[in-house]
Amino acid sequence: GENVEQHPSTLSVQEGDSAVIKCTYSDSASNYFPWYKQELGKRPQLIIDIRSNVGEKKDQRIAVTLNKTAKHFSLHITETQPEDSAVYFCAAHLSGSARQLTFGSGTQLTVLP
Amino acid sequence: GAVVSQHPSWVICKSGTSVKIECRSLDFQATTMFWYRQFPKQSLMLMATSNEGSKATYEQGVEKDKFLINHASLTLSTLTVTSAHPEDSSFYICSARITSDQETQYFGPGTRLLVL
Repeated sequence: GENVEQHPSTLSVQEGDSAVIKCTYSDSASNYFPWYKQELGKRPQLIIDIRSNVGEKKDQRIAVTLNKTAKHFSLHITETQPEDSAVYFCAAHLSGSARQLTFGSGTQLTVLP
Repeated sequence: GAVVSQHPSWVICKSGTSVKIECRSLDFQATTMFWYRQFPKQSLMLMATSNEGSKATYEQGVEKDKFLINHASLTLSTLTVTSAHPEDSSFYICSARITSDQETQYFGPGTRLLVL
């Protein structure tokens, strides 16, 4: 089955700096890679996703890059703000009829004012 | 659009009792829903895949007789934790996938279960 590794587990940045979170996956047939933001005690919220036919996607301060050859993808947040502080999860779409998501272990991002 | 609700948002129960959690897609039809469990400071662990009109598919290590799943309609899936024990205390989150979109999952707000 799919295995998704995520790092770092914790990340602290100064407000205004950039943050980068990286994930690797094992199943070369995976073709969909979403990123979720989860605030304490709340639901995961989809913030951006990328499909395997695209190498990069950007939405305002958030961008995701995908390297299919190396089987890794990254989340980039620029001009970080305190409200960006949360746990971020990457996920990979497991190939097969159920199309289940396999999640990374999460990154606690803290943006220091 | 694509709103998923869960009920209840939190529940406290005594050991040995059963607890039912509902997951509803409010503004779309969901052929497939997923149930996850999340322990504090950990990732989401998939428990089972719920398919409308058929039996759920459980992940390895998840007891299907303990975690009963029913997906009777295109907008409702239920998870029943039977004979709950303290170790079942966790945050249970469902997600739903729009029938016409085979990829994006929308999550419910979660149900925090505490078994005393």
